[in-house]
Amino acid sequence: QKEVEQNSGPLSVPEGAIASLNCTYSDRGSQSFFWYRQYSGKSPELIMFIYSNGDKEDGRFTAQLNKASQYVSLLIRDSQPSDSATYLCAVKRYGNKLVFGAGTILRVKS
Amino acid sequence: DGGITQSPKYLFRKEGQNVTLSCEQNLNHDAMYWYRQDPGQGLRLIYYSQIVNDFQKGDIAEGYSVSREKKESFPLTVTSAQKNPTAFYLCASSPRDRANTGELFFGEGSRLTVL
Repeated sequence: QKEVEQNSGPLSVPEGAIASLNCTYSDRGSQSFFWYRQYSGKSPELIMFIYSNGDKEDGRFTAQLNKASQYVSLLIRDSQPSDSATYLCAVKRYGNKLVFGAGTILRVKS
Repeated sequence: DGGITQSPKYLFRKEGQNVTLSCEQNLNHDAMYWYRQDPGQGLRLIYYSQIVNDFQKGDIAEGYSVSREKKESFPLTVTSAQKNPTAFYLCASSPRDRANTGELFFGEGSRLTVL
């Protein structure tokens, strides 16, 4: 079992719809969770992090964490073609080391 | 402008050759990291360094070596012992005061191809 698992996609949504990206993790002791966005051929950039159970909102993005079920999700409201990218879920280990999932490809169709 | 500079962006290597990828940052960050990215896989940690003159192995250190002689620089050498070195290599850094956020600042990456 991989430490961080994501559906590789691609996930296709129409412009203006809500995109829902999911991630599960195996280490029940994990405390910090991150979503990075990576455009094709570019380096990842952090868009959200969450530590506590529940929802965290930042603009069009909402991160959701459920530690009991060991999953974290990212919702993107009013999806735009510019949101088309690979979204990487990452979980923090001891010592500020991050373990990354393989990423989900999101395609927003105009 | 502050940032992380990786060079070269593209590199071709013959089998049996060692190559060194450069990573320089002017963000005054304490910690630096090297990740490898392969298609269909997440980023995998090769080496990391929290302070100058100290570094630790990550999950896939075999066939790689690093040094941290200066705070700004964290070069990665891909040795001939690395069996499958063709990949996209990403250098990252993070400041000490954001150690708990897990935020990494990435360079633009170096794409290594073994011929």
